[in-house]
Amino acid sequence: KAGVTQTPRYLIKTRGQQVTLSCSPISGHRSVSWYQQTPGQGLQFLFEYFSETQRNKGNFPGRFSGRQFSNSRSEMNVSTLELGDSALYLCASTDAGELFFGEGSRLTVL
Amino acid sequence: GNSVTQMEGPVTLSEEAFLTINCTYTATGYPSLFWYVQYPGEGLQLLLKATKADDKGSNKGFEATYRKETTSFHLEKGSVQVSDSAVYFCALSVPVSHASGGSYIPTFGRGTSLIVHP
Repeated sequence: KAGVTQTPRYLIKTRGQQVTLSCSPISGHRSVSWYQQTPGQGLQFLFEYFSETQRNKGNFPGRFSGRQFSNSRSEMNVSTLELGDSALYLCASTDAGELFFGEGSRLTVL
Repeated sequence: GNSVTQMEGPVTLSEEAFLTINCTYTATGYPSLFWYVQYPGEGLQLLLKATKADDKGSNKGFEATYRKETTSFHLEKGSVQVSDSAVYFCALSVPVSHASGGSYIPTFGRGTSLIVHP
């Protein structure tokens, strides 16, 4: 089975722009969750989707949003980017309580 | 709320040394406990897990025992290798029930960097 695939792997944006990140889960996995990883805050949960519905949400502002498609692929969007949004964004798909992570999308905001 | 505390790094060891990375937790309910490893430039990989008290998770020479009485899940390895150099995350999850089934949202520790020298 192919693993969790995230695109793009690296991107650079400027303040005020918006960004969309994509995640393709392992085939058959219906739950997808997103995390932000920074040196200062560590790993923080953003949100979780299951069957196109957001089931759980972390403590992030409304600029962070996501969605899931009928094929379980997921996207997250960050609008009005701030310097503090620079981070590694990790996606994971879940099977029987076990998380399988992608390699992440590294966002740099200038 | 749930929280995980793990020792700050970096931990620097010589090859074949004994490794311990401490992890303690607070949680409501009955959490499952995990250790994840992150190699440079990669995402996290599950290293081992334990789902109930006194369970021992083990993988690739690493071990950790779920100690409910001390709320701990310390990671150990008897003889580390240079290839073990990575960041190690302790995590817990308490299942949340939904009509669509259970979800497992983990709470992570801050991570401990391990550097192993030849």
